[in-house]
Amino acid sequence: QKEVEQDPGPLSVPEGAIVSLNCTYSNSAFQYFMWYRQYSRKGPELLMYTYSSGNKEDGRFTAQVDKSSKYISLFIRDSQPSDSATYLCAMSAQGTYKYIFGTGTRLKVLA
Amino acid sequence: NAGVTQTPKFQVLKTGQSMTLQCAQDMNHNSMYWYRQDPGMGLRLIYYSASEGTTDKGEVPNGYNVSRLNKREFSLRLESAAPSQTSVYFCASRGPNNSPLHFGNGTRLTVT
Repeated sequence: QKEVEQDPGPLSVPEGAIVSLNCTYSNSAFQYFMWYRQYSRKGPELLMYTYSSGNKEDGRFTAQVDKSSKYISLFIRDSQPSDSATYLCAMSAQGTYKYIFGTGTRLKVLA
Repeated sequence: NAGVTQTPKFQVLKTGQSMTLQCAQDMNHNSMYWYRQDPGMGLRLIYYSASEGTTDKGEVPNGYNVSRLNKREFSLRLESAAPSQTSVYFCASRGPNNSPLHFGNGTRLTVT
């Protein structure tokens, strides 16, 4: 079993929809959670960074962490065609250099 | 505001050839990383450097060597390229503690 599981998609939604992207994980030591956006032929770009459980909001993006369920989510409100990309979740434990990545979910927002 | 810069962007090698991928960051980060990204396998850590003068193997180090030249630069060398090393290579750096990684735009390598 992988440490981090992420549905590869593709996920296709109409413009303006609310998008929900999710990852599950197995290691209860993870405390730092990240979401990256990766456009085709580009490097991953940090979108959200959260510590422990709870919600964090930044513009149209909201990151949620539920440590009891070992489940993290990224919500995108009012999705735009420019949000079409692959979204990677990543996580790490306190004091370690290792970051564990999901394989990414491809999102297509249709105009 | 360059962040993490990787060169070259693209490279084609024949089996057995060698090459060095270059990476530089201007964020004064101590820690630097090399990953490879393959379809369906996500990002896999090749080597890691906690600070200038130190390097450690990651998940998939075989066939690669690294050099942490100074605080800014971290290079990845393929001594004898193999088709299995066809991939996209990303360099990343991070600040202290569990700061998030910042990535370059990658080197797309094909080995024939």
